[in-house]
Amino acid sequence: GAGVSQSPSNKVTEKGKDVELRCDPISGHTALYWYRQSLGQGLEFLIYFQGNSAPDKSGLPSDRFSAERTGGSVSTLTIQRTQQEDSAVYLCASSLAGESGGFGPGTRLTVL
Amino acid sequence: AQSVAQPEDQVNVAEGNPLTVKCTYSVSGNPYLFWYVQYPNRGLQFLLKYITGDNLVKGSYGFEAEFNKSQTSFHLKKPSALVSDSALYFCAVRALWGQNFVFGPGTRLSVLP
Repeated sequence: GAGVSQSPSNKVTEKGKDVELRCDPISGHTALYWYRQSLGQGLEFLIYFQGNSAPDKSGLPSDRFSAERTGGSVSTLTIQRTQQEDSAVYLCASSLAGESGGFGPGTRLTVL
Repeated sequence: AQSVAQPEDQVNVAEGNPLTVKCTYSVSGNPYLFWYVQYPNRGLQFLLKYITGDNLVKGSYGFEAEFNKSQTSFHLKKPSALVSDSALYFCAVRALWGQNFVFGPGTRLSVLP
């Protein structure tokens, strides 16, 4: 079946602009995660959605970052007033609760 | 709070030799443990997981991992390394059903021909 998809695959933007990154999870998966990976670094947790529960936003680095998950499916990560330090690969993953799930291919964000 | 440590940033091993990538964790209660691999310019791929049962878990590409509760470890192993195993390996833990994954910092494995 189809895996997790993300769009766009690459995004280049100017400092100060807003960007939206999209994640389409595997159908039926109740859990959805956003992580980011800076060049050569490990995975940094951003936000976690589980069913209808309030999302765990504890990893969002600043109030410029927000995420929504509509209808328990598609999720959008929004970064406002982008900064150069926001440049990274943003990874989305989905799973059934307790299972391993799958990762999307990521969106490479470059802030000039 | 849950945490994962991968004490080695880099592991070098000769092709054909056994490899071990170390992972230790801290979590309240029984852990769910995972290994993922990231090949150059590719996304993360699931390798294996431990939920319950046999402490030795077998996964993709000939990898296995051993859960050791007393040492709070979940080391990744392979009996005979291949050059194509060279990649970045991440250990992850989640404490409870429905909670977030916490990833380790990653270990870069280089298998030398």
